[in-house]
Amino acid sequence: GAVVSQHPSRVICKSGTSVKIECRSLDFQATTMFWYRQFPKQSLMLMATSNEGSKATYEQGVEKDKFLINHASLTLSTLTVTSAHPEDSSFYICSARGTKEEAFFGQGTRLTVV
Amino acid sequence: AQSVAQPEDQVNVAEGNPLTVKCTYSVSGNPYLFWYVQYPNRGLQFLLKYITGDNLVKGSYGFEAEFNKSQTSFHLKKPSALVSDSALYFCAVRDKAAGNKLTFGGGTRVLVKP
Repeated sequence: GAVVSQHPSRVICKSGTSVKIECRSLDFQATTMFWYRQFPKQSLMLMATSNEGSKATYEQGVEKDKFLINHASLTLSTLTVTSAHPEDSSFYICSARGTKEEAFFGQGTRLTVV
Repeated sequence: AQSVAQPEDQVNVAEGNPLTVKCTYSVSGNPYLFWYVQYPNRGLQFLLKYITGDNLVKGSYGFEAEFNKSQTSFHLKKPSALVSDSALYFCAVRDKAAGNKLTFGGGTRVLVKP
């Protein structure tokens, strides 16, 4: 149990376009979802925390208008990177937590902006 | 504020030998502690957690960790390492009183040589 599905696993987009990443909890209800960014050979950087039905809480330095997060249901959260630039290229990972203390992670999305 | 330190960037061990990955933490209250493993271009997989109770926690794939409150440590151990254990390991902490946010260590790369 406790499976989190994230897709796409890889996406290439052109500069200036937007890309949406989905994160679904398949077998539990995720009251809280988290979005992370991971740079090569580095740890995870928390971007934002979202609770179902409410606005996401962004970490300092993360542009909320650029990284739009929606958590419309207890099983789905989306991250939309708007007006993407090459510096947005990164590995994005979502995680979800329900009633258990541990969070479960998606497979990650490798975003390349060309 | 909460923080996690993984003092070793990389640990090399021969297959069949014991494996230890070190982690120390700092929280203002009582900690929830977690270990995750990450394989290349994948999300994080949950290994084990300490919430309360016995200081020795057993988790997936033969891993265990010992919570030591006086040393504020939560080292990950495996009695006999496998080549397939080669991966990136993250320790994480959450302060029970400080909400949902997980703080990750910098990660330790484990290389198990045949």
